[in-house]
Amino acid sequence: AQSVTQLGSHVSVSEGALVLLRCNYSSSVPPYLFWYVQYPNQGLQLLLKYTSAATLVKGINGFEAEFKKSETSFHLTKPSAHMSDAAEYFCAVGGYNTDKLIFGTGTRLQVFP
Amino acid sequence: NAGVTQTPKFQVLKTGQSMTLQCAQDMNHEYMSWYRQDPGMGLRLIHYSVGAGITDQGEVPNGYNVSRSTTEDFPLRLLSAAPSQTSVYFCASNVAGAQYNEQFFGPGTRLTVL
Repeated sequence: AQSVTQLGSHVSVSEGALVLLRCNYSSSVPPYLFWYVQYPNQGLQLLLKYTSAATLVKGINGFEAEFKKSETSFHLTKPSAHMSDAAEYFCAVGGYNTDKLIFGTGTRLQVFP
Repeated sequence: NAGVTQTPKFQVLKTGQSMTLQCAQDMNHEYMSWYRQDPGMGLRLIHYSVGAGITDQGEVPNGYNVSRSTTEDFPLRLLSAAPSQTSVYFCASNVAGAQYNEQFFGPGTRLTVL
């Protein structure tokens, strides 16, 4: 069975501050891990994904995430927040034996000027 | 490519009414899925399909039917709408084969059941 836990349903940062959104996963098989972003009134779009190549994954808009097997984590970071980063972020897990994705409950990021 | 399209964007139903949410993709993806998004609950899988003629249940299938007669289309039918089905519904598609799990999402349908 697979699952993801996103710690913190809301995160607020000031513009220019570090963004850290937490995701921990549980998987009985080697996982594929994803971060998606949802802007208001839109569908989800892929930020980045881990598929067992490099453990540090770079995505769009300056975001990156590091796969840490020992901590079963895949936290999303961005060194300097921008107002346009305000959105909801979802972590998701898949695996080599399934097409299904299991999504976390999401973290809403607010960016203050 | 239009990607994944969904219609309608908004819908209001009365309890007991039925309706079909439409989803189409033009990327020749084998795998398609329907999710519902509710506050604090993330996205939950309703039904999915691995190809034309093949469908299966997800996490929350009760009250919904699907069919997949073509690769492109994957409609979701609400048989008898209930207020608990008030939600935002997303359709997604991807190339089959787990290593390509990146799913492409439609813009969503916001459904209210009174």
